[in-house]
Amino acid sequence: GAVVSQHPSRVICKSGTSVKIECRSLDFQATTMFWYRQFPKQSLMLMATSNEGSKATYEQGVEKDKFLINHASLTLSTLTVTSAHPEDSSFYICSASNVLTSGRTTDTQYFGPGTRLTVL
Amino acid sequence: KQEVTQIPAALSVPEGENLVLNCSFTDSAIYNLQWFRQDPGKGLTSLLLIQSSQREQTSGRLNASLDKSSGRSTLYIAASQPGDSATYLCAVIKNTGNQFYFGTGTSLTVIP
Repeated sequence: GAVVSQHPSRVICKSGTSVKIECRSLDFQATTMFWYRQFPKQSLMLMATSNEGSKATYEQGVEKDKFLINHASLTLSTLTVTSAHPEDSSFYICSASNVLTSGRTTDTQYFGPGTRLTVL
Repeated sequence: KQEVTQIPAALSVPEGENLVLNCSFTDSAIYNLQWFRQDPGKGLTSLLLIQSSQREQTSGRLNASLDKSSGRSTLYIAASQPGDSATYLCAVIKNTGNQFYFGTGTSLTVIP
């Protein structure tokens, strides 16, 4: 099956610094990538939808200037947490899908292994 | 707004038991529903996908059913094993849009 990787798997940073997380589709072209955040013992919450070559669509309550998303190619999307604070500490997971010409996604989205961010 | 709820939040069973996990969603206009498994600190593993036109899917010891009109899905695990211990998440995709709406998860522990 299709493989999605994330890098890094774990990152610890100081408050006020910026952190970039990469999401790559290794063996297929991902026209759409999704970024989720998961706090401890909670479910995944969608942060934003990223389409290749266009601006990301953010969910209500997610600050677009704080969580910068770039989807510059069909195999790579990046999430940059700017001026990170301890409350940004979370598990960030991306997923990728290949959107059909009909506008629907293919049947399955493929999830990355996640990135654990800890802000001190 | 689509809300997805899973009951129970946690479940502990002895090895060998059959068990049922429940998922309910508020908006029945879904495109499909998917069950995932998440091990601690890890990403998601897709278990079963049910299209909105289907009523159930089976894979090995797993069987998932879907009753779209009532907004419910169940995941049946037969002859549970300690390796089944994980958090199980259900998620739906609405007819409009392509993003998942995830449930709250059920943490399953199978005791040897």
